[in-house]
Amino acid sequence: DTGVSQNPRHKITKRGQNVTFRCDPISEHNRLYWYRQTLGQGPEFLTYFQNEAQLEKSRLLSDRFSAERPKGSFSTLEIQRTEQGDSAMYLCASSVRETGNEKLFFGSGTQLSVL
Amino acid sequence: DAKTTQPNSMESNEEEPVHLPCNHSTISGTDYIHWYRQLPSQGPEYVIHGLTSNVNNRMASLAIAEDRKSSTLILHRATLRDAAVYYCILRGTDSSYKLIFGSGTRLLVRP
Repeated sequence: DTGVSQNPRHKITKRGQNVTFRCDPISEHNRLYWYRQTLGQGPEFLTYFQNEAQLEKSRLLSDRFSAERPKGSFSTLEIQRTEQGDSAMYLCASSVRETGNEKLFFGSGTQLSVL
Repeated sequence: DAKTTQPNSMESNEEEPVHLPCNHSTISGTDYIHWYRQLPSQGPEYVIHGLTSNVNNRMASLAIAEDRKSSTLILHRATLRDAAVYYCILRGTDSSYKLIFGSGTRLLVRP
Protein backbone atom coordinates (compact mmCIF):
# COMPACT_ATOMS: atom_id res chain seq x y z
CA ASP A 1 0.00 0.00 0.00
CA THR A 2 1.84 3.06 -1.25
CA GLY A 3 -0.97 5.48 -0.55
CA VAL A 4 -2.59 8.03 -2.84
CA SER A 5 -0.02 9.85 -4.92
CA GLN A 6 -0.51 13.31 -6.40
CA ASN A 7 1.70 15.12 -8.86
CA PRO A 8 2.98 17.72 -8.97
CA ARG A 9 3.09 18.81 -5.33
CA HIS A 10 3.30 22.45 -6.34
CA LYS A 11 2.35 24.30 -9.50
CA ILE A 12 2.83 27.98 -10.25
CA THR A 13 1.22 29.28 -13.39
CA LYS A 14 0.22 32.52 -15.00
CA ARG A 15 -3.38 33.55 -15.35
CA GLY A 16 -4.88 32.20 -18.55
CA GLN A 17 -2.67 29.13 -18.77
CA ASN A 18 -3.95 25.55 -18.63
CA VAL A 19 -2.79 23.18 -15.90
CA THR A 20 -3.22 19.45 -15.36
CA PHE A 21 -2.85 17.49 -12.15
CA ARG A 22 -2.52 13.75 -11.77
CA CYS A 23 -3.76 11.43 -9.05
CA ASP A 24 -2.75 7.79 -8.63
CA PRO A 25 -5.14 6.12 -6.18
CA ILE A 26 -4.45 3.12 -4.01
CA SER A 27 -4.54 0.10 -6.28
CA GLU A 28 -7.87 -1.74 -6.30
CA HIS A 29 -9.71 1.33 -5.01
CA ASN A 30 -12.58 1.79 -7.42
CA ARG A 31 -13.80 5.13 -6.08
CA LEU A 32 -11.88 8.37 -6.64
CA TYR A 33 -12.70 11.87 -5.44
CA TRP A 34 -11.34 15.34 -6.14
CA TYR A 35 -11.56 18.14 -3.58
CA ARG A 36 -10.38 21.74 -3.47
CA GLN A 37 -9.22 23.48 -0.30
CA THR A 38 -8.49 27.15 0.29
CA LEU A 39 -6.65 28.54 3.28
CA GLY A 40 -8.56 28.18 6.54
CA GLN A 41 -11.41 26.21 5.02
CA GLY A 42 -12.28 22.54 4.94
CA PRO A 43 -11.96 20.64 1.66
CA GLU A 44 -14.80 21.20 -0.84
CA PHE A 45 -16.05 18.30 -2.94
CA LEU A 46 -15.54 18.70 -6.68
CA THR A 47 -16.23 15.39 -8.39
CA TYR A 48 -16.40 11.63 -7.92
CA PHE A 49 -15.61 8.60 -10.08
CA GLN A 50 -16.60 5.02 -9.68
CA ASN A 51 -14.17 3.11 -11.87
CA GLU A 52 -13.99 5.15 -15.10
CA ALA A 53 -17.44 6.68 -14.78
CA GLN A 54 -17.76 10.24 -13.49
CA LEU A 55 -20.92 9.94 -11.42
CA GLU A 56 -21.17 13.27 -9.64
CA LYS A 57 -19.95 16.83 -10.18
CA SER A 58 -20.28 19.75 -7.84
CA ARG A 59 -21.61 23.12 -8.94
CA LEU A 60 -18.12 24.36 -8.04
CA LEU A 61 -16.78 22.53 -11.07
CA SER A 62 -17.15 25.17 -13.77
CA ASP A 63 -16.83 24.34 -17.45
CA ARG A 64 -13.15 25.32 -17.26
CA PHE A 65 -12.57 22.24 -15.12
CA SER A 66 -12.52 18.73 -16.49
CA ALA A 67 -11.63 15.46 -14.84
CA GLU A 68 -11.03 12.08 -16.36
CA ARG A 69 -10.24 8.63 -15.13
CA PRO A 70 -9.43 6.50 -18.16
CA LYS A 71 -9.41 2.77 -17.53
CA GLY A 72 -10.52 3.36 -13.98
CA SER A 73 -7.01 3.76 -12.59
CA PHE A 74 -5.25 7.15 -12.36
CA SER A 75 -7.17 10.39 -12.76
CA THR A 76 -6.37 13.83 -14.15
CA LEU A 77 -7.89 17.17 -13.31
CA GLU A 78 -7.42 19.91 -15.89
CA ILE A 79 -8.13 23.59 -15.40
CA GLN A 80 -8.30 25.66 -18.55
CA ARG A 81 -7.72 29.43 -18.69
CA THR A 82 -6.74 29.58 -15.03
CA GLU A 83 -7.89 32.49 -12.89
CA GLN A 84 -6.42 33.82 -9.65
CA GLY A 85 -9.45 32.45 -7.82
CA ASP A 86 -8.37 28.94 -8.81
CA SER A 87 -5.41 29.19 -6.45
CA ALA A 88 -5.96 26.44 -3.90
CA MET A 89 -4.86 23.00 -2.76
CA TYR A 90 -6.34 20.27 -4.95
CA LEU A 91 -6.78 17.01 -3.09
CA CYS A 92 -7.48 13.55 -4.42
CA ALA A 93 -8.88 10.68 -2.40
CA SER A 94 -9.70 7.07 -3.10
CA SER A 95 -11.73 4.40 -1.38
CA VAL A 96 -13.13 0.96 -1.73
CA ARG A 97 -16.53 -0.16 -0.58
CA GLU A 98 -16.56 -1.70 2.88
CA THR A 99 -19.40 -3.29 4.78
CA GLY A 100 -21.98 -0.53 5.00
CA ASN A 101 -19.44 2.29 5.12
CA GLU A 102 -15.98 3.18 3.97
CA LYS A 103 -12.95 5.35 4.61
CA LEU A 104 -11.40 7.83 2.22
CA PHE A 105 -7.65 7.91 1.81
CA PHE A 106 -6.29 11.29 0.76
CA GLY A 107 -3.14 12.28 -1.06
CA SER A 108 -0.99 15.20 0.06
CA GLY A 109 -2.46 17.43 -2.63
CA THR A 110 -1.26 19.73 -5.39
CA GLN A 111 -0.86 23.36 -4.36
CA LEU A 112 -1.78 25.64 -7.27
CA SER A 113 -0.75 29.29 -7.35
CA VAL A 114 -2.09 31.41 -10.20
CA LEU A 115 -0.18 34.65 -10.67
CA ASP B 1 -26.61 16.87 4.07
CA ALA B 2 -26.98 17.11 7.82
CA LYS B 3 -24.74 19.72 9.40
CA THR B 4 -22.24 19.54 12.23
CA THR B 5 -21.09 22.28 14.60
CA GLN B 6 -17.62 22.31 16.11
CA PRO B 7 -15.62 24.89 18.06
CA ASN B 8 -13.17 26.78 15.86
CA SER B 9 -10.20 25.97 18.06
CA MET B 10 -9.14 24.21 21.24
CA GLU B 11 -5.93 23.98 23.22
CA SER B 12 -4.46 21.14 25.21
CA ASN B 13 -1.30 20.31 27.10
CA GLU B 14 0.89 17.50 25.93
CA GLU B 15 0.15 14.10 27.49
CA GLU B 16 -3.25 15.22 28.73
CA PRO B 17 -6.57 13.91 27.38
CA VAL B 18 -8.44 15.98 24.82
CA HIS B 19 -12.19 15.97 24.28
CA LEU B 20 -13.28 17.43 20.95
CA PRO B 21 -17.05 18.04 20.80
CA CYS B 22 -19.35 17.93 17.81
CA ASN B 23 -23.04 18.78 17.65
CA HIS B 24 -25.23 17.24 14.97
CA SER B 25 -28.80 17.80 16.05
CA THR B 26 -30.28 17.05 12.58
CA ILE B 27 -28.61 13.67 12.23
CA SER B 28 -30.74 11.01 10.56
CA GLY B 29 -31.02 7.42 11.64
CA THR B 30 -28.72 6.16 8.89
CA ASP B 31 -25.97 8.79 9.20
CA TYR B 32 -22.59 7.58 10.37
CA ILE B 33 -20.41 9.95 12.40
CA HIS B 34 -16.94 10.19 10.90
CA TRP B 35 -13.88 12.00 12.21
CA TYR B 36 -10.94 12.96 10.04
CA ARG B 37 -7.94 15.09 10.89
CA GLN B 38 -5.62 17.15 8.75
CA LEU B 39 -2.04 17.69 9.77
CA PRO B 40 -0.20 20.73 8.36
CA SER B 41 0.63 20.41 4.66
CA GLN B 42 -1.10 17.03 4.37
CA GLY B 43 -4.40 15.69 3.16
CA PRO B 44 -7.04 14.66 5.68
CA GLU B 45 -6.69 11.25 7.30
CA TYR B 46 -9.34 8.99 8.74
CA VAL B 47 -9.48 8.82 12.53
CA ILE B 48 -12.61 6.93 13.55
CA HIS B 49 -16.29 6.46 12.81
CA GLY B 50 -19.39 5.13 14.54
CA LEU B 51 -23.13 4.81 14.26
CA THR B 52 -24.66 4.36 17.71
CA SER B 53 -22.21 2.71 20.06
CA ASN B 54 -18.98 4.14 21.41
CA VAL B 55 -15.94 3.10 19.40
CA ASN B 56 -12.28 2.70 20.21
CA ASN B 57 -9.26 2.29 17.97
CA ARG B 58 -5.53 2.83 18.27
CA MET B 59 -5.83 6.52 17.46
CA ALA B 60 -8.81 7.66 19.49
CA SER B 61 -12.17 6.93 21.06
CA LEU B 62 -15.55 8.15 19.88
CA ALA B 63 -18.28 8.73 22.42
CA ILE B 64 -21.76 9.08 20.92
CA ALA B 65 -24.65 10.57 22.90
CA GLU B 66 -27.65 8.34 23.44
CA ASP B 67 -29.84 10.57 21.25
CA ARG B 68 -27.01 10.77 18.68
CA LYS B 69 -27.31 14.54 18.52
CA SER B 70 -23.74 15.03 19.66
CA SER B 71 -20.48 13.15 19.84
CA THR B 72 -17.02 13.59 21.31
CA LEU B 73 -13.68 12.55 19.91
CA ILE B 74 -11.31 11.62 22.70
CA LEU B 75 -7.54 11.62 22.36
CA HIS B 76 -6.38 9.90 25.51
CA ARG B 77 -2.90 11.44 25.68
CA ALA B 78 -2.28 14.32 23.32
CA THR B 79 1.12 14.56 21.68
CA LEU B 80 2.60 17.39 19.64
CA ARG B 81 1.92 15.27 16.54
CA ASP B 82 -1.80 15.47 17.28
CA ALA B 83 -1.85 19.18 16.50
CA ALA B 84 -4.18 19.32 13.51
CA VAL B 85 -7.60 20.36 12.29
CA TYR B 86 -10.21 17.80 13.31
CA TYR B 87 -13.32 17.40 11.19
CA CYS B 88 -16.57 15.83 12.39
CA ILE B 89 -18.61 14.68 9.39
CA LEU B 90 -21.98 13.01 9.02
CA ARG B 91 -21.99 10.49 6.27
CA GLY B 92 -25.14 9.07 4.79
CA THR B 93 -25.48 5.96 2.78
CA ASP B 94 -26.14 7.59 -0.60
CA SER B 95 -24.37 6.12 -3.57
CA SER B 96 -21.40 8.46 -3.75
CA TYR B 97 -20.20 8.17 -0.13
CA LYS B 98 -18.57 11.56 -0.53
CA LEU B 99 -17.57 13.48 2.58
CA ILE B 100 -18.81 17.03 3.14
CA PHE B 101 -16.30 18.89 5.32
CA GLY B 102 -17.03 21.84 7.58
CA SER B 103 -14.36 24.13 9.00
CA GLY B 104 -13.35 21.75 11.77
CA THR B 105 -11.62 22.37 15.10
CA ARG B 106 -8.00 23.45 15.11
CA LEU B 107 -6.27 21.70 18.01
CA LEU B 108 -3.19 23.31 19.49
CA VAL B 109 -1.05 21.11 21.75
CA ARG B 110 1.25 22.90 24.18
CA PRO B 111 4.50 21.17 25.19
